Amino acid sequence: GNSVTQMEGPVTLSEEAFLTINCTYTATGYPSLFWYVQYPGEGLQLLLKATKADDKGSNKGFEATYRKETTSFHLEKGSVQVSDSAVYFCALNPTGTASKLTFGTGTRLQVTL
Amino acid sequence: DTEVTQTPKHLVMGMTNKKSLKCEQHMGHRAMYWYKQKAKKPPELMFVYSYEKLSINESVPSRFSPECPNSSLLNLHLHALQPEDSALYLCASSPLLSRGKGDTEAFFGQGTRLTVV
Repeated sequence: GNSVTQMEGPVTLSEEAFLTINCTYTATGYPSLFWYVQYPGEGLQLLLKATKADDKGSNKGFEATYRKETTSFHLEKGSVQVSDSAVYFCALNPTGTASKLTFGTGTRLQVTL
Repeated sequence: DTEVTQTPKHLVMGMTNKKSLKCEQHMGHRAMYWYKQKAKKPPELMFVYSYEKLSINESVPSRFSPECPNSSLLNLHLHALQPEDSALYLCASSPLLSRGKGDTEAFFGQGTRLTVV
């Protein structure tokens, strides 16, 4: 079956620090990969996505590269801000017509001044 | 308009009550979803509707009854819930693409936070 493994949180960083949140996946075929962000008390927002091997998704300074050889999709940001504090979910969608997302357990990021 | 709107935002109900959650989107998406999210856990898929027809039911108890009256609306009818059903209920929508024609990005609403007392 499909599964997504994320690094355990919480991750606590000082403002302007470099961020990496690891994500690896198991899936058959060629899934699409996503990072969603959830701010306190809110729903999920799509942060970035990649649909095929070697694609790089990017948005708001965050980046992730679809690495098929290592089945990974690690999230990075060069300089985090306090406003980036949230829970980050890695997710995959298997090849198909509809969305049937499998999420990782989520990683809470806390950024302090 | 790239919004998925859910109402109400908060709901408290007794175990003998009947209530409904509502979801609306105007992006022309023909797939709609209900997810359940417990505290500090990832969302879990409950139901998928494709072209207003139920296509996936992830073995959800019958006290949850989904309904898709048209392509823009999705309801979740609740009856005889248990306290352990308290959670954030998320609605999402996505396009339905021809197989192999690209990814199917899901757009989520803000959720309804349900408390069963």
